[in-house]
Amino acid sequence: GAGVSQSPSNKVTEKGKDVELRCDPISGHTALYWYRQSLGQGLEFLIYFQGNSAPDKSGLPSDRFSAERTGGSVSTLTIQRTQQEDSAVYLCASSLGQGRDEQYFGPGTRLTVT
Amino acid sequence: KNQVEQSPQSLIILEGKNCTLQCNYTVSPFSNLRWYKQDTGRGPVSLTIMTFSENTKSNGRYTATLDADTKQSSLHITASQLSDSASYICVVRAYGNNRLAFGKGNQVVVIP
Repeated sequence: GAGVSQSPSNKVTEKGKDVELRCDPISGHTALYWYRQSLGQGLEFLIYFQGNSAPDKSGLPSDRFSAERTGGSVSTLTIQRTQQEDSAVYLCASSLGQGRDEQYFGPGTRLTVT
Repeated sequence: KNQVEQSPQSLIILEGKNCTLQCNYTVSPFSNLRWYKQDTGRGPVSLTIMTFSENTKSNGRYTATLDADTKQSSLHITASQLSDSASYICVVRAYGNNRLAFGKGNQVVVIP
């Protein structure tokens, strides 16, 4: 079956512009995660959605970052007024639910802010 | 201080040789530990998962060990292949927590 997909695969934007990153999780997976991976750094947790529960937004680095998950499936990560330090690979992962479930990662979106 | 520390940061090995990657963690209470492989330009893929009661687990040429007392894990790659060139990430979950603690990864380069 299809894995987690993300679009676009690459995004170059000018400083100050807004960007939207999309994630299509595996069908039937109720949990969805967004991470940021900067060069030479580990994955940084951003936000977590679980079913209809309120999302865990505690990893979002500033109020310029927001995410939605519509209909319990597709998710969009929005970065407003992008800064150069936002340049990174943004990874989305989904899993069946809480507990020990394996997270399946998408290929990521490489964001470059010029 | 990061809750998951990996070493070495990077290494180069000859094709056919073995290597061992180390992961030390401070996450508590411990639930499970996964090793992920991340090829360049791709998302991480799980290799093994280990719980408190498991000491060793193999997946083909990959063998992971866990010492929950010393909070250490290792990933051993046997008879390395060029396709093993990747970043290997140690990920630890705390009990009762949906968050994961990620190491920065071991960058492995296999050369012919």
